Amino acid sequence: KAGVTQTPRYLIKTRGQQVTLSCSPISGHRSVSWYQQTPGQGLQFLFEYFSETQRNKGNFPGRFSGRQFSNSRSEMNVSTLELGDSALYLCASTLPGGGGQETQYFGPGTRLLVL
Amino acid sequence: QKEVEQDPGPLSVPEGAIVSLNCTYSNSAFQYFMWYRQYSRKGPELLMYTYSSGNKEDGRFTAQVDKSSKYISLFIRDSQPSDSATYLCASLSGTYKYIFGTGTRLKVLA
Repeated sequence: KAGVTQTPRYLIKTRGQQVTLSCSPISGHRSVSWYQQTPGQGLQFLFEYFSETQRNKGNFPGRFSGRQFSNSRSEMNVSTLELGDSALYLCASTLPGGGGQETQYFGPGTRLLVL
Repeated sequence: QKEVEQDPGPLSVPEGAIVSLNCTYSNSAFQYFMWYRQYSRKGPELLMYTYSSGNKEDGRFTAQVDKSSKYISLFIRDSQPSDSATYLCASLSGTYKYIFGTGTRLKVLA
């Protein structure tokens, strides 16, 4: 079974631009979560989608947004990029098993550099 | 205060040593605890998953949760150079929202 895939793997943008990152979950997984990983802050939760609905949101500004399509693929968008947005953006998919014991499977990430 | 705190390391040990990695958490409502391993330029992969207090063993890895002190640990026996990675602890905060520590970098020297 194919794992979580993320595209692109690397991206260089300049301040003020916007960027869209894509995530394809493991087949059959309907929950997709996004995280930002930086050396100083570690993994920080951005948002989680299930059946095209955002169920949870972290403490990020409105410049960070996402969506999920009917095939469970997800995109996240960052508008008006800032230097501090340089990070590894990770997507994780989950097969809900009930009782909160869901296991997250991570993709390799998209490394974004903002100049 | 972060909800999950973890010493960033780096931690260097000789091959064959027992490694102890630790995290503390602040929210007593946390019930599920996870350890992930992340190699350089890769996404995290789940190592161990425990519920509430107690120990769980899987091969050379043992996860331990002490809810009374809000302390979670991962022990690696007979450590190998291939264990060199960043180890992340995490807890499930509410439904479908995971809180991660910043990760501890481990280097096992051959």
